[in-house]
Amino acid sequence: ETGVTQSPTHLIKTRGQQVTLRCSSQSGHNTVSWYQQALGQGPQFIFQYYREEENGRGNFPPRFSGLQFPNYSSELNVNALELDDSALYLCASSRSSGANVLTFGAGSRLTVL
Amino acid sequence: ILNVEQSPQSLHVQEGDSTNFTCSFPSSNFYALHWYRWETAKSPEALFVMTLNGDEKKKGRISATLNTKEGYSYLYIKGSQPEDSATYLCASINTDKLIFGTGTRLQVFP
Repeated sequence: ETGVTQSPTHLIKTRGQQVTLRCSSQSGHNTVSWYQQALGQGPQFIFQYYREEENGRGNFPPRFSGLQFPNYSSELNVNALELDDSALYLCASSRSSGANVLTFGAGSRLTVL
Repeated sequence: ILNVEQSPQSLHVQEGDSTNFTCSFPSSNFYALHWYRWETAKSPEALFVMTLNGDEKKKGRISATLNTKEGYSYLYIKGSQPEDSATYLCASINTDKLIFGTGTRLQVFP
């Protein structure tokens, strides 16, 4: 059973650019959630995808968008990057939404200069 | 409580000591409470998912309790070992969102 893999592991962008982060879910999981962890904070919920549709969203502006593909992998896109977007972005998959345990990837560390 | 709060923020203990820390969460619209263990440079790993008031769960030397009426959970580690050093995150599901605390960073010295 493969776990959750995220790419890239690290990247550096400049303000105003756009970024796409990728996540492959664990085999058998159909739900993917994305979290942002800024320095000194706990992971903040960005949004969740279930069967290719957004199924819940946190307090993030529309320039944070996502996709889920038929194989349940997912992308997080951030447009018009700001310095405060610098963070670790974690992806987690689960069997479905609800109380099910999350399987996390190791994260993508984004630095915006 | 509108947020999930964890205390203490960090903890240093000697090998062999037992320790515990707290997670406080909103008691209204409670659905489930998760505990995760996050070692540096690795992915967070699930320890427990708890849903019922009075739940107690155990995994080796680690155990957790849940009080949904007052909105808190305790995580206990018996006889801490250096390999227990990690950040311990709790997360509460209220209505439809999983809200994480900021974690307790545990360091166990040999």
